[in-house]
Amino acid sequence: DTAVSQTPKYLVTQMGNDKSIKCEQNLGHDTMYWYKQDSKKFLKIMFSYNNKELIINETVPNRFSPKSPDKAHLNLHINSLELGDSAVYFCASSQGGRLINQPQHFGDGTRLSIL
Amino acid sequence: AQTVTQSQPEMSVQEAETVTLSCTYDTSESNYYLFWYKQPPSRQMILVIRQEAYKQQNATENRFSVNFQKAAKSFSLKISDSQLGDTAMYFCASTSGTYKYIFGTGTRLKVLA
Repeated sequence: DTAVSQTPKYLVTQMGNDKSIKCEQNLGHDTMYWYKQDSKKFLKIMFSYNNKELIINETVPNRFSPKSPDKAHLNLHINSLELGDSAVYFCASSQGGRLINQPQHFGDGTRLSIL
Repeated sequence: AQTVTQSQPEMSVQEAETVTLSCTYDTSESNYYLFWYKQPPSRQMILVIRQEAYKQQNATENRFSVNFQKAAKSFSLKISDSQLGDTAMYFCASTSGTYKYIFGTGTRLKVLA
């Protein structure tokens, strides 16, 4: 009965490869997010989708492409991986996007390591 | 731009004692919400407590309470009777207008036996 689940938990790959991280939430929320947490633990918003529509895109390289097939899923595809992409990526969801008053619920994170 | 500032990168506290983590924020919103999240070494992000800005009463959740000073834009977290399991990174966060949450840089708390 996991609320926000993302897969895989760990991803180790070579520089230049393309990889995807999947996220699903069963909370009925209408807004989903991707965050990047770097080695200093700083949490930075990357994207946000509300009802499958992109609403936040925070100066992220276009090698990163989110896709939301429905409001319960938000996947992240990364092309041509670079060393600087090594981080933990968190998916999150919340309800009531425009007048947000609810906390976000987070997945367990995906640790991406680029060799 | 809206910001959330946590000025204490690291703190430590003896088991069973009380510790306060600081957070200040800057917002132009008239209504907003504030949160504290805990990230233990397992790296999960766990909601600890939340405060609605229009409520003057400070939120409390068991051993966790906040001191919300709206005029000073301060939102500190007090942990009473600290336990070893409280060892974690703590993030303060604020809602920011439409669809967005702003996080502070975190405070690493270590509870000592």
